[in-house]
Amino acid sequence: TQLLEQSPQFLSIQEGENLTVYCNSSSVFSSLQWYRQEPGEGPVLLVTVVTGGEVKKLKRLTFQFGDARKDSSLHITAAQPGDTGLYLCAGQGAQKLVFGQGTRLTINP
Amino acid sequence: GAVVSQHPSWVICKSGTSVKIECRSLDFQATTMFWYRQFPKQSLMLMATSNEGSKATYEQGVEKDKFLINHASLTLSTLTVTSAHPEDSSFYICSAQGRTSGNNEQFFGPGTRLTVL
Repeated sequence: TQLLEQSPQFLSIQEGENLTVYCNSSSVFSSLQWYRQEPGEGPVLLVTVVTGGEVKKLKRLTFQFGDARKDSSLHITAAQPGDTGLYLCAGQGAQKLVFGQGTRLTINP
Repeated sequence: GAVVSQHPSWVICKSGTSVKIECRSLDFQATTMFWYRQFPKQSLMLMATSNEGSKATYEQGVEKDKFLINHASLTLSTLTVTSAHPEDSSFYICSAQGRTSGNNEQFFGPGTRLTVL
């Protein structure tokens, strides 16, 4: 069974600080996706990383896929209250997505 | 493009009744649809995978006779929660995957909040 360990599960920081969320597995994934979910809504895709070592940037968000395609990180620079939400990583397995536990991020003004 | 809708967005029902949730791909043909359940403050848990015209494949621990899935067309899948009980109260999310989805990308619906009294 493929598992994704996401950490931290909860994070509350002040506006302007930087943070990193990690997603780790012992399994190799063909790709890994990061989602953001607002309360009462479905998850919205932020990025898909495919190649080992790949780095993608989305404004203040930087996503990295590990060289071995087993882990990934999301780094947010100068966090803002609008970044508050549930962040989910998901690895693409043979036939389905494997989701991490999620990181509930709160950015305090 | 790649929009997935769900109906209803929320539903409240009495214990023992059945509830049907629809998932539609609005602008593409979904060869595969997935149904997830999400409890408060938790991540998404895959319940089942359905391919158009085939029986759904259920994840371990999910009762197929309780959660009936029908994927009768390339744009519609339904999940029926039969004889619902309060413990079935949850946020149900579907996703759809098209024939040409790059990297097997799934497009998620907005979810359906089910409350069983």
